[in-house]
Amino acid sequence: DVKVTQSSRYLVKRTGEKVFLECVQDMDHENMFWYRQDPGLGLRLIYFSYDVKMKEKGDIPEGYSVSREKKERFSLILESASTNQTSMYLCASSSQDRTDSYEQYFGPGTRLTVT
Amino acid sequence: DQQVKQNSPSLSVQEGRISILNCDYTNSMFDYFLWYKKYPAEGPTFLISISSIKDKNEDGRFTVFLNKSAKHLSLHIVPSQPGDSAVYFCAASFTGGGNKLTFGTGTQLKVEL
Repeated sequence: DVKVTQSSRYLVKRTGEKVFLECVQDMDHENMFWYRQDPGLGLRLIYFSYDVKMKEKGDIPEGYSVSREKKERFSLILESASTNQTSMYLCASSSQDRTDSYEQYFGPGTRLTVT
Repeated sequence: DQQVKQNSPSLSVQEGRISILNCDYTNSMFDYFLWYKKYPAEGPTFLISISSIKDKNEDGRFTVFLNKSAKHLSLHIVPSQPGDSAVYFCAASFTGGGNKLTFGTGTQLKVEL
């Protein structure tokens, strides 16, 4: 059974704190993604990675950075958390195998509140 | 610029009836479309997909229709069940796009008894 896990389900941080969100997948997938979900805005791509140590900006990268030191792990970093980063953060992974049909597998999400 | 649009933020249907969720896209390069279902406090789960070489794909109670000329796809759920109550997202990708998905804003489906 495929699995994507995220380090925390709920997180409360203060403005200005550095925040780390961790994601681990056990499917040996090459691609990993970070999204945020906000009401009325759907899922928006923050960053993605095709391989270890590689990263690409998504649609809303400002205020975020990422790290991928191992194939199975993709970390999202909020350098200095702000209240407008309060959101649901979702990690996903997918295979580069074309036969896998672009399907992405999602973790359960981290509900981050910045006060 | 919202390339994938779900214009109905919510939909209410009676149990046993058909649910039809709609999605429009603007990017002609999209050639693969997916529907995801999301319950509160859970990650989205894949439901069904369709390639642009087809106009219909069925999987049990779920059918996705694609109208390329209108840049429109729809998800039909028949019969609708209370457990189908969730947020549904359509997503699109294209060959050479690096496996990235562009998601719509979602439609909250409520199936009432």
